[in-house]
Amino acid sequence: EAGVAQSPRYKIIEKRQSVAFWCNPISGHATLYWYQQILGQGPKLLIQFQNNGVVDDSQLPKDRFSAERLKGVDSTLKIQPAKLEDSAVYLCASSPGEGYEQYFGPGTRLTVT
Amino acid sequence: GIQVEQSPPDLILQEGANSTLRCNFSDSVNNLQWFHQNPWGQLINLFYIPSGTKQNGRLSATTVATERYSLLYISSSQTTDSGVYFCAGFPGGATNKLIFGTGTLLAVQP
Repeated sequence: EAGVAQSPRYKIIEKRQSVAFWCNPISGHATLYWYQQILGQGPKLLIQFQNNGVVDDSQLPKDRFSAERLKGVDSTLKIQPAKLEDSAVYLCASSPGEGYEQYFGPGTRLTVT
Repeated sequence: GIQVEQSPPDLILQEGANSTLRCNFSDSVNNLQWFHQNPWGQLINLFYIPSGTKQNGRLSATTVATERYSLLYISSSQTTDSGVYFCAGFPGGATNKLIFGTGTLLAVQP
């Protein structure tokens, strides 16, 4: 069974530029999550989708971050414009449903200069 | 909100040694998971253990939900065990937001 796929693995951008990350969850998993992990901390949930609907985006900085999962499978997370404090690893995870075991992708390491 | 404390924060072992990592919750949690984050940043699932004890090779985990803690045992440690270990769980109640612990940084020396 293929795991969660993410791309790109690394990205370096200048502040005020935009960036997008892509995630493909495990086949059949209805729930998809985006997490932000700052160096030295545990992952923090940004947004949770159930199929193509948003369940929780309470910690998503909506003035600059957006995410979509239009067909209930793949998802993209966008940052526009980026700030220095957005430097982090962005992790995508999926699970069969809410409250079930979550599986994480390899992450995208973003550096904003 | 719920607090998840892990201990010890840092641990250095010689290869072959055993260790116990602890995860304490300030309130009840459901469906606790243990993860290993390797030096490349990948979060690897170790255990999904709402309660009881599970074993997988050199690793085992025990969750005592009524006392709000979980333990991860690593036996005969290897250098590949190095990395950060996180526990995470869903707070009891309506939310299904997975809350991560503070992490334990493990370094296994040859």
